[in-house]
Amino acid sequence: AQKITQTQPGMFVQEKEAVTLDCTYDTSDQSYGLFWYKQPSSGEMIFLIYQGSYDEQNATEGRYSLNFQKARKSANLVISASQLGDSAMYFCAMREGRNYGQNFVFGPGTRLSVLP
Amino acid sequence: SAVISQKPSRDICQRGTSLTIQCQVDSQVTMMFWYRQQPGQSLTLIATANQGSEATYESGFVIDKFPISRPNLTFSTLTVSNMSPEDSSIYLCSVETTGRVGELFFGEGSRLTVL
Repeated sequence: AQKITQTQPGMFVQEKEAVTLDCTYDTSDQSYGLFWYKQPSSGEMIFLIYQGSYDEQNATEGRYSLNFQKARKSANLVISASQLGDSAMYFCAMREGRNYGQNFVFGPGTRLSVLP
Repeated sequence: SAVISQKPSRDICQRGTSLTIQCQVDSQVTMMFWYRQQPGQSLTLIATANQGSEATYESGFVIDKFPISRPNLTFSTLTVSNMSPEDSSIYLCSVETTGRVGELFFGEGSRLTVL
């Protein structure tokens, strides 16, 4: 079974609008972390935001916020005031427990295109 | 945060040849990770590079095909051996930070095309 599901292969948003990228996850662990990464066409992976399973408040980092709904096992990324430079692939990832990086699992990604 | 440098950034290779990718980190790290990203796909962990011991490979990846070296705490190499077109991918080196979040930092990636 897929541990990370991103149901939107591609999304379009108008510049300056907000957009939500969906992510649902599957784990039986009580302790886990959820991450979002951005991958521009150049290929590097850029860490955007993190949400811990015990964090009571939704994480925010500048224009990025994470809509964390633990009971529904969803961790949607919200990008406010989209910019042309936000056009990229976005990956949701999960680390189960507090062990090392081999426990990172990445979703299939969503390609976001920001329209002028 | 960590600064990770990868070489080469891209290469075009002939079938049957081997290529070694280098990963240099600006600080000492316990574990380094090698990921593969096939065209249009997500990231898949190849192996964990441990300093002073053999790498730990994930299911579907073997040492003969992807030998890894880890001579010290700041450097690792991944070799893609006897390449075929199916090996055309982005190969990414990463390390985990030691802070509360423990996110993965990635190198710029090495984009390989095998003809």
